[in-house]
Amino acid sequence: GENVEQHPSTLSVQEGDSAVIKCTYSDSASNYFPWYKQELGKRPQLIIDIRSNVGEKKDQRIAVTLNKTAKHFSLHITETQPEDSAVYFCAAINGGSQGNLIFGKGTKLSVKP
Amino acid sequence: GAGVSQSPSNKVTEKGKDVELRCDPISGHTALYWYRQSLGQGLEFLIYFQGNSAPDKSGLPSDRFSAERTGGSVSTLTIQRTQQEDSAVYLCASSARLAGAGDTQYFGPGTRLTVL
Repeated sequence: GENVEQHPSTLSVQEGDSAVIKCTYSDSASNYFPWYKQELGKRPQLIIDIRSNVGEKKDQRIAVTLNKTAKHFSLHITETQPEDSAVYFCAAINGGSQGNLIFGKGTKLSVKP
Repeated sequence: GAGVSQSPSNKVTEKGKDVELRCDPISGHTALYWYRQSLGQGLEFLIYFQGNSAPDKSGLPSDRFSAERTGGSVSTLTIQRTQQEDSAVYLCASSARLAGAGDTQYFGPGTRLTVL
């Protein structure tokens, strides 16, 4: 089945700097890769997603890149702000079932003012 | 419109007791998912329902866990003979169709289960 690895587990940056979180997946049949942001005590919220027919997608300060050949995808946050501090999860659709998501273990991002 | 809701928000139970957790998906969403999040961990898939199809139970950790979805809407996750390792936040999500069809999964606020 699908397996998703996420790095780093913690990331600390200065306000205004960029942050990059990387994930790899194992199932070449996976074709949908969302990123969720979870603030302390809150529910996970989708921030951006990408499908396997595109290589990059951007939404204001957030971008995601996908390398299908290498089976990895990355989240890029530019001009970080303290409110970006949260745990970020990458996920991949279960290629076999095409239903549930398989999540990485999360990256705790801290943006220091 | 209303998002995914879950009840109760917190549940404390004694080891060996049964518990029921409820999820109300977004109206009209055909797919419903249950995940479990242990402290400081990622989300672990448990089970999903799609329309009237048989549920995918491949993520359920033991036969003490079961779930049903009545009328294609509300779902109940039941844990029998709870153990301390069942303590976690149980999250429900729904999507208009299966995520593989390209639809976003929207999460509920979760039920925090503590087994003493």
